[in-house]
Amino acid sequence: GAGVSQSPSNKVTEKGKDVELRCDPISGHTALYWYRQSLGQGLEFLIYFQGNSAPDKSGLPSDRFSAERTGGSVSTLTIQRTQQEDSAVYLCASSLRTSGGVETQYFGPGTRLLVL
Amino acid sequence: TQLLEQSPQFLSIQEGENLTVYCNSSSVFSSLQWYRQEPGEGPVLLVTVVTGGEVKKLKRLTFQFGDARKDSSLHITAAQPGDTGLYLCAGARTSGSRLTFGEGTQLTVNP
Repeated sequence: GAGVSQSPSNKVTEKGKDVELRCDPISGHTALYWYRQSLGQGLEFLIYFQGNSAPDKSGLPSDRFSAERTGGSVSTLTIQRTQQEDSAVYLCASSLRTSGGVETQYFGPGTRLLVL
Repeated sequence: TQLLEQSPQFLSIQEGENLTVYCNSSSVFSSLQWYRQEPGEGPVLLVTVVTGGEVKKLKRLTFQFGDARKDSSLHITAAQPGDTGLYLCAGARTSGSRLTFGEGTQLTVNP
């Protein structure tokens, strides 16, 4: 079966431009996460969607960042007026999260964003 | 404040050596996981530990969850170049809560 896919795989943009990053989760997974990862570093949580609940946006670094998840499936992360410090790998993960279980997150390959 | 502290941050060793990576916290975790990430890919789950004192083995990798469920370790025996990658620990504070990831340990095994 298909895993988590992300597009584009690489994106180079100019400072001040807007970018949209896409994530297609594993079919049937109720939870979807966005993380940011700087070179060789750990994962910085950005935002989390679970079913029809309001998203947990507590990790978004500024109001230039936003995300939506349409129809409980595909998600788009939008960065407005990009800055050079936004350059990083943006990872998406999905899981079949239950209220009392141990969760396994399945990650996509990431989108490498470079802001010039 | 980082809930999960990993050490060392970087580790470069020769093929055949043994190594241990640590994941520590002042908080108790309901479960703890270890992921491995290769260049250009997303992290992949290696193991989940849920019981204090639990030890799990995956070929040459041994994972241990501390008795108090505040720390964990990953031990690799006779490391191989294919073990090279970023190792991440991740914990859930309560059953069903989302994961918190550590900063990762970048392991390089030289042939």
